[in-house]
Amino acid sequence: SQQGEEDPQALSIQEGENATMNCSYKTSINNLQWYRQNSGRGLVHLILIRSNEREKHSGRLRVTLDTSKKSSSLLITASRAADTASYFCATIRNSGNTPLVFGKGTRLSVIA
Amino acid sequence: NAGVTQTPKFQVLKTGQSMTLQCAQDMNHEYMSWYRQDPGMGLRLIHYSVGAGITDQGEVPNGYNVSRSTTEDFPLRLLSAAPSQTSVYFCASSRVLAGGPNEQFFGPGTRLTVL
Repeated sequence: SQQGEEDPQALSIQEGENATMNCSYKTSINNLQWYRQNSGRGLVHLILIRSNEREKHSGRLRVTLDTSKKSSSLLITASRAADTASYFCATIRNSGNTPLVFGKGTRLSVIA
Repeated sequence: NAGVTQTPKFQVLKTGQSMTLQCAQDMNHEYMSWYRQDPGMGLRLIHYSVGAGITDQGEVPNGYNVSRSTTEDFPLRLLSAAPSQTSVYFCASSRVLAGGPNEQFFGPGTRLTVL
């Protein structure tokens, strides 16, 4: 079964607003990654955060990780219509050379 | 660099036919994996490999075989296609750093329809 679960499943906001997506997972992890997928395309890596990190930034993206709650959040600030996409979290368990497992994603719509 | 390439882009099969989806990467990545994506299901891992000669099953391996004879190539074989295998298939690769696979690079996908 999928390790990560994103919340909400769908999110619709106005251009310029901030968008927050959450990811919860079940077992201890080595790292957590966020990806974006535009309709019909392959996934694109956004940010990787390791279990010993609490926050990372990349441009308008901010990711936080709370290992005690087994959750992560992705914040997109000042959203643009081009941010419309599906966003997935993916985790690697903290036990050996295990694979990357994806959640079902959050569908973000940014309305101009 | 071409990155991760997948062929074909589209394929239609009849039930019972077999075929191979090709995946290649030119980044010398140790880790390669195959996912299928169905509406509302996200990406589900089929098989993965941490290096040439090493493969392992993911979440949904039934009906699929893989091999990894070289670092560059990771073909996915459908043994006897079924309508339930209609999906979009993505191949991905990455370096392996401490603890597991790192940033994944995805191919453009293969859209498969089984009639």
